[in-house]
Amino acid sequence: AQSVSQHNHHVILSEAASLELGCNYSYGGTVNLFWYVQYPGQHLQLLLKYFSGDPLVKGIKGFEAEFIKSKFSFNLRKPSVQWSDTAEYFCAVNESDDYKLSFGAGTTVTVRA
Amino acid sequence: EAGVTQSPTHLIKTRGQQATLRCSPISGHTSVYWYQQALGLGLQFLLWYDEGEERNRGNFPPRFSGRQFPNYSSELNVNALELEDSALYLCASSLRAEQYFGPGTRLTVT
Repeated sequence: AQSVSQHNHHVILSEAASLELGCNYSYGGTVNLFWYVQYPGQHLQLLLKYFSGDPLVKGIKGFEAEFIKSKFSFNLRKPSVQWSDTAEYFCAVNESDDYKLSFGAGTTVTVRA
Repeated sequence: EAGVTQSPTHLIKTRGQQATLRCSPISGHTSVYWYQQALGLGLQFLLWYDEGEERNRGNFPPRFSGRQFPNYSSELNVNALELEDSALYLCASSLRAEQYFGPGTRLTVT
């Protein structure tokens, strides 16, 4: 079974700071990788996804993620955060022939104005 | 385009009762997934339905069951409710690998 690890439980930043959230997964086969975001009071939204091709993927709201196959990692980045990026971020993985998602525990990001 | 919808928003049940949760997928999506988000346990996969068939099941007891209807909507049934079933139940739909989530049903078991 898949396992997904997110390195940070809670990150606190000031506006304009850079953000990087770590995500590692355990499965050695072909995987699809996702980052979801849950803003306060809202439901889970897809931030970005990786299926194949260029390992650097860009998502909505200026977020990007890099897939490093040798490290089983899919880290999320944003060069300059805004107060509105305050949310919980979830890394998720599924396999090419089994679409059930395995989620990390989530990282709460608090951006101070 | 309408997103995934779930009903009811909140559900309060007593231990031992049954709960039924409903989900309507995004138009054109044939797969529906159910997840449980319980406090301290994170998001855990429950069930996957595609084209009316159960495709996969998470590590949950048989009292968690569901079905998918010909219009691709789905319902999740939880029998013999236990206190630890209190959680947010999320439904997602997809056409392929990427899933889009609904707002969830908050189930409280007293």
